[in-house]
Amino acid sequence: GENVEQHPSTLSVQEGDSAVIKCTYSDSASNYFPWYKQELGKGPQLIIDIRSNVGEKKDQRIAVTLNKTAKHFSLHITETQPEDSAVYFCAASRKGTSYGKLTFGQGTILTVHP
Amino acid sequence: DTAVSQTPKYLVTQMGNDKSIKCEQNLGHDTMYWYKQDSKKFLKIMFSYNNKELIINETVPNRFSPKSPDKAHLNLHINSLELGDSAVYFCASSQDTQPQHFGDGTRLSIL
Repeated sequence: GENVEQHPSTLSVQEGDSAVIKCTYSDSASNYFPWYKQELGKGPQLIIDIRSNVGEKKDQRIAVTLNKTAKHFSLHITETQPEDSAVYFCAASRKGTSYGKLTFGQGTILTVHP
Repeated sequence: DTAVSQTPKYLVTQMGNDKSIKCEQNLGHDTMYWYKQDSKKFLKIMFSYNNKELIINETVPNRFSPKSPDKAHLNLHINSLELGDSAVYFCASSQDTQPQHFGDGTRLSIL
């Protein structure tokens, strides 16, 4: 089955700095890679996703890159703000249908210091 | 206007009891999921239903039984609760190839 490794487990940055979280996956058939943000006491919320036919996707301060050959993908957050502090999860699945099983990474606790 | 709602939000109970968690989504999605998040924040899928049919059943003890009375509801019943069942349980839903939307979780604590 799919295995997703996520690093680092904790990341501390100063407000305004950039933050990068990296994930690797094992199943070459995986074709869908979402990133979720989980705030305290809340469920994971999708912040950005990328499909395997695209190498990079950007949405304002958030970007995701995908290297299919190396089987890794990364989340980049620029100009970090204290409200970016949360747990971030990467995930991978074979998304041909709505019931593609999501396999999550272990999560990264991001702390942005004012 | 909550999209995926779970009840209860907190559940504290004794070992050996039977309990249920309810999930409802008002997004019109046809697929619903249950995930378990352990104390280390690791998220793992347990079950998935598509149009009331069970399609994903991970290695979960048979004390856990999901039930989907209709496309908008997916409940989770747990028999003979054990200490190791303490976790946060998340319900999610999706439609076709769209992303999964999660509820805010049910924190289950076994005494």
